[in-house]
Amino acid sequence: GAVVSQHPSWVICKSGTSVKIECRSLDFQATTMFWYRQFPKQSLMLMATSNEGSKATYEQGVEKDKFLINHASLTLSTLTVTSAHPEDSSFYICSARSDRDEQYFGPGTRLTVT
Amino acid sequence: AQSVTQLGSHVSVSEGALVLLRCNYSSSVPPYLFWYVQYPNQGLQLLLKYTTGATLVKGINGFEAEFKKSETSFHLTKPSAHMSDAAEYFCAVSGGSTLGRLYFGRGTQLTVWP
Repeated sequence: GAVVSQHPSWVICKSGTSVKIECRSLDFQATTMFWYRQFPKQSLMLMATSNEGSKATYEQGVEKDKFLINHASLTLSTLTVTSAHPEDSSFYICSARSDRDEQYFGPGTRLTVT
Repeated sequence: AQSVTQLGSHVSVSEGALVLLRCNYSSSVPPYLFWYVQYPNQGLQLLLKYTTGATLVKGINGFEAEFKKSETSFHLTKPSAHMSDAAEYFCAVSGGSTLGRLYFGRGTQLTVWP
C-alpha cells in the first residue's frame, strides 16, 4: 500500500523559534496533501489543504502567516510553525491524496514548545 | 455540510466479547464514510470505508460496518475483541468523494480487558 512519512516524528523547540515538518508520499505522487492538528484525547482538525504548485487553502481560524505550508513537489509538503508558542504544542498529522482516490495518513509529528 | 457524532468516548469490553462502536453522520449529499484506527503516538490507519453499493462493508482485522441511510448511522462492529484491538477509533465522513476533506468524529477509545 501507499506510504506517507513525516519528519521529524517528534520535536522540542523553544518559544519563539520556528519548526519545519515534512510530509512525503514515498511511492506515489500526491497533488493534494492535508494538514491536521490533534490535541490530546481529541479529534483531528483540518488546518489546511495543500495543492502542489499553488497556495494552500486554510480553514477558518487558522493563521496562514503562522502555519506556512509549501507543496513544492508532487511528493513533498512542508508545514512550518513560525514563532512557536506553548499553545502550538500538538500532534500534527498529514495525509496525501493519491490518483487512485485514496487518502493516506502519515504517522504524525509531536511538537512540544517550551 | 458534513458532521460526525461518535456516541461514547470510551468503550470497554472483555477479550472475546462483541465490539460495537457507534457513529452517526450528517451530510447534505450522499456520504462517503470511513473508520480509522489510531494507536498511541501514531497516525491513522484505514479500517474500512463505504462509498456506494453494498451497505455492509468488511474491513481489516475482522471489523465491519453497516451503512444505514434511514438511521444515518455507520456503526463499527467486531464479533470477538482481541487485546490488540485496544486503540482510538475515528469515524469520518466526506461529501460524496474519497478525494475531499474528511470530517472526523471525536473518537472512541476502546479498552479490551483480559
